[in-house]
Amino acid sequence: QVQLQESGPGLVKPSETLSLTCTVSGGSISSYYWSWIRQPPGKGLEWIGYIYYSGSTNYNPSLKSRVTISVDTSKNQFSLKLSSVTAADTAVYYCARTRGGPIFGVVTAVDYWGQGTLVTVSS
Amino acid sequence: QSALTQPASVSGSPGQSITISCTGTSSDVGGYNYVSWYQQHPGKAPKLMIYDVSNRPSGVSNRFSGSKSGNTASLTISGLQAEDEADYYCSSYTSSSTLLVFGGGTKLTVL
Repeated sequence: QVQLQESGPGLVKPSETLSLTCTVSGGSISSYYWSWIRQPPGKGLEWIGYIYYSGSTNYNPSLKSRVTISVDTSKNQFSLKLSSVTAADTAVYYCARTRGGPIFGVVTAVDYWGQGTLVTVSS
Repeated sequence: QSALTQPASVSGSPGQSITISCTGTSSDVGGYNYVSWYQQHPGKAPKLMIYDVSNRPSGVSNRFSGSKSGNTASLTISGLQAEDEADYYCSSYTSSSTLLVFGGGTKLTVL
């Protein structure tokens, strides 16, 4: 059974960089897309972006200028960095395994989720 | 504003059936068979219930079923149970640069 666990600071100051790491256990990070998804308190889900195990990435255009997702296959981990954060970035951040379609880059469903971690942006 | 449109709330009595709709465009729901549905209980992570429009992951009850017609996908829950009370989100691949879009979520209340 694949399990994902987010780790990182729960409080980030405005204008600073939010950094989270996701550790994958129970399976290899290879051959899948790995996503970050967030959910502001009381609101819906927003896909932030994904990284393929080979390092290829794709980001939500609304966040693209501030997002970097990286992978460390030797540690079975992938990470999120979101720069210049504001209060609007306060959310529960989920890491997740994402299924791919027959064409590279097509993502079809999120089948395993981490428990989520609340990140609050406040001075 | 979410890319996919869902009703804010639906309700039903135990044993009844309910359907939640998810409306998109020909660039997402209507153009690809990559609609998925997620169940989220308060304070918990979402759980995949349906993928590729109508497929159930192993372990998901067959009371949950999915379908699609044109630009609208639907999730039907039959034989409603108290444990089904949760928020439900649809999602779809999109040919736009966003790639993966979600609906705004539907709160299911079991009366």
